[in-house]
Amino acid sequence: DAGITQSPRHKVTETGTPVTLRCHQTENHRYMYWYRQDPGHGLRLIHYSYGVKDTDKGEVSDGYSVSRSKTEDFLLTLESATSSQTSVYFCAISGASGVTNEQFFGPGTRLTVL
Amino acid sequence: QKEVEQDPGPLSVPEGAIVSLNCTYSNSAFQYFMWYRQYSRKGPELLMYTYSSGNKEDGRFTAQVDKSSKYISLFIRDSQPSDSATYLCAMSETSGTYKYIFGTGTRLKVLA
Repeated sequence: DAGITQSPRHKVTETGTPVTLRCHQTENHRYMYWYRQDPGHGLRLIHYSYGVKDTDKGEVSDGYSVSRSKTEDFLLTLESATSSQTSVYFCAISGASGVTNEQFFGPGTRLTVL
Repeated sequence: QKEVEQDPGPLSVPEGAIVSLNCTYSNSAFQYFMWYRQYSRKGPELLMYTYSSGNKEDGRFTAQVDKSSKYISLFIRDSQPSDSATYLCAMSETSGTYKYIFGTGTRLKVLA
């Protein structure tokens, strides 16, 4: 394992509630990413971070925000969850070895929005 | 048209068979190519990482890149039931980029 954990691993919530997912890494990777994975769509980038407090949007960022106050933690927040955000969310990291293209994934968070 | 196309399968093969998994892509700027294995309800695991064209071998796995045809392949020799998983291809244009484009994955079943 590349030293990535995600919490919670499973969550069921109701439409309109805020949700925060956490990604924690122990490998000192510079880059961190949040993806969602849905049948027929594969992995789609939500947001990414290229350093502490440096973040930017991916291709499906609407309805999501992120924060990175420490190298090891990257938070994904759904401000007001909708049923379309039911998905499996993966955190990924890259950059510790200097070969930034090798990207390692966490175990995933399965989110259900009712 | 998607930037990366990958047959979703499922692909079923008998144990011991040689498996060929493929992705095609449209962006000629892609230079870095990756293959991931994903078991059910797990995160993707990086299997192979290659740069530009050519072959790379690691144990029973061989990754092949043909940039002229915009086609990449992953070969698995002597396939085992434990190889049953979904295989994802991924690509990026340059090093240090955040932008990785993923295929939707091919589901492989190796029958004992």
